[in-house]
Amino acid sequence: KQEVTQIPAALSVPEGENLVLNCSFTDSAIYNLQWFRQDPGKGLTSLLLIQSSQREQTSGRLNASLDKSSGRSTLYIAASQPGDSATYLCAVRLGTYKYIFGTGTRLKVLA
Amino acid sequence: NAGVTQTPKFQVLKTGQSMTLQCAQDMNHNSMYWYRQDPGMGLRLIYYSASEGTTDKGEVPNGYNVSRLNKREFSLRLESAAPSQTSVYFCASSEAVVMSNQPQHFGDGTRLSIL
Repeated sequence: KQEVTQIPAALSVPEGENLVLNCSFTDSAIYNLQWFRQDPGKGLTSLLLIQSSQREQTSGRLNASLDKSSGRSTLYIAASQPGDSATYLCAVRLGTYKYIFGTGTRLKVLA
Repeated sequence: NAGVTQTPKFQVLKTGQSMTLQCAQDMNHNSMYWYRQDPGMGLRLIYYSASEGTTDKGEVPNGYNVSRLNKREFSLRLESAAPSQTSVYFCASSEAVVMSNQPQHFGDGTRLSIL
C-alpha cells in the first residue's frame, strides 16, 4: 500500500533562509507528484507538478525534485519570506483517479 | 476565474440530521472528487466521478452519497450525520489523463461540525 510521508511536521525558519521540505513515498509506480500549498482555512493550491519521467520543476523561488528510485521528492524554497508561511503538502498520482496525499509540513517564516 | 466553488463554507449539524454539500467547477474537467481532511491525516478520498453520470467509491465512502448532476456539479450528501463525520470537506477536479501536466484544482472547503 502506497504511503506518503512528510517530515518534519512543522518547521520554523528566519526570513531569508533557504529551506528544503521532504516528501517520501513507498511505491515508485507513480505517474506524477504534486506539491501544494495550503493556507489556514483555505483549499490546496498547486505549486509544482513533476511527471514521473522528469527530475525537477522550477517556478520562481521554488524548485521541486523527484527521485523515483529512492521514493523521494524535495521542495526547495529560496530566500524564504513571511508570506511563504503555510502548510505544504505533496501528493502522488497512482492512477487516473487515485491520489495519495502526505500529511504536510507546517512552515512558519519569521520576520 | 472561479475554479472550484464549494458551498456552504461552514455548517454545524446535530447528530442524525442530513445535508448536502455543493461543488461546481468551471474548468470543463471530466473528473471530480470529494475528500475529507482530518488532523494528522492526509486527504482521504470519499467518492469520485470519472465523468457525468458516473460515480465510484473512494477510500472512506461509508455514510455518504454523491450525485454528479452534470459536468459542472458534484454534490456530497450526508444522510444521517454522525460526530465521526466532523471534518473539512474538499471538492476537487482534474483532467482524467494520467500524463496530463494539469494539476488537481481544489475548492476552499466546507468546515462541518456534527454535535
